[in-house]
Amino acid sequence: GQNIDQPTEMTATEGAIVQINCTYQTSGFNGLFWYQQHAGEAPTFLSYNVLDGLEEKGRFSSFLSRSKGYSYLLLKELQMKDSASYLCAVSPHGGYQKVTFGTGTKLQVIP
Amino acid sequence: DGGITQSPKYLFRKEGQNVTLSCEQNLNHDAMYWYRQDPGQGLRLIYYSQIVNDFQKGDIAEGYSVSREKKESFPLTVTSAQKNPTAFYLCASSIERGSRELFFGEGSRLTVL
Repeated sequence: GQNIDQPTEMTATEGAIVQINCTYQTSGFNGLFWYQQHAGEAPTFLSYNVLDGLEEKGRFSSFLSRSKGYSYLLLKELQMKDSASYLCAVSPHGGYQKVTFGTGTKLQVIP
Repeated sequence: DGGITQSPKYLFRKEGQNVTLSCEQNLNHDAMYWYRQDPGQGLRLIYYSQIVNDFQKGDIAEGYSVSREKKESFPLTVTSAQKNPTAFYLCASSIERGSRELFFGEGSRLTVL
């Protein structure tokens, strides 16, 4: 089975840095996604990590440790528009993907 | 522009009625999915389809049905057998290989009165 844990809510200040953690226990693992979802809207893709290490993409970076079953999303220079839910999702082994999502972390950015 | 279109965006239904949610994509993606999202819960997979005329149950398929007669279309029917159908429904698609990124539609919010 799949078990994905991430904090329910976080608050951070505009201009600051915030790290959103995700731990997972899965029967198979190919890679880990991060999606951003604004309230009432569809999720949008942020990153997909397959190998261990940090991948940077502008203000957002994502880290993966396969041996520890751990990932984090790092958001720098926070802006008010970054207030959203951030979804961690795991892609299993196999030739066909069946992604399992965590419950999401609701981030509130305050002035 | 390519993308996924879901309709309707908002839908109200009386108990005991079936309702069909539309999902159309012009991305030429092979795989399509339906997810359900409830407050405080992650996206849960209802059904998915890898190719035309083939689909598989996800984690919460009871009370739902789908069809995949065309590559572009993957409608979801919420039947009267679904005990708690009020939710936000998201359709997605992906190429089977590559990054496997999911592309989502804007969602359909179903409310049962």
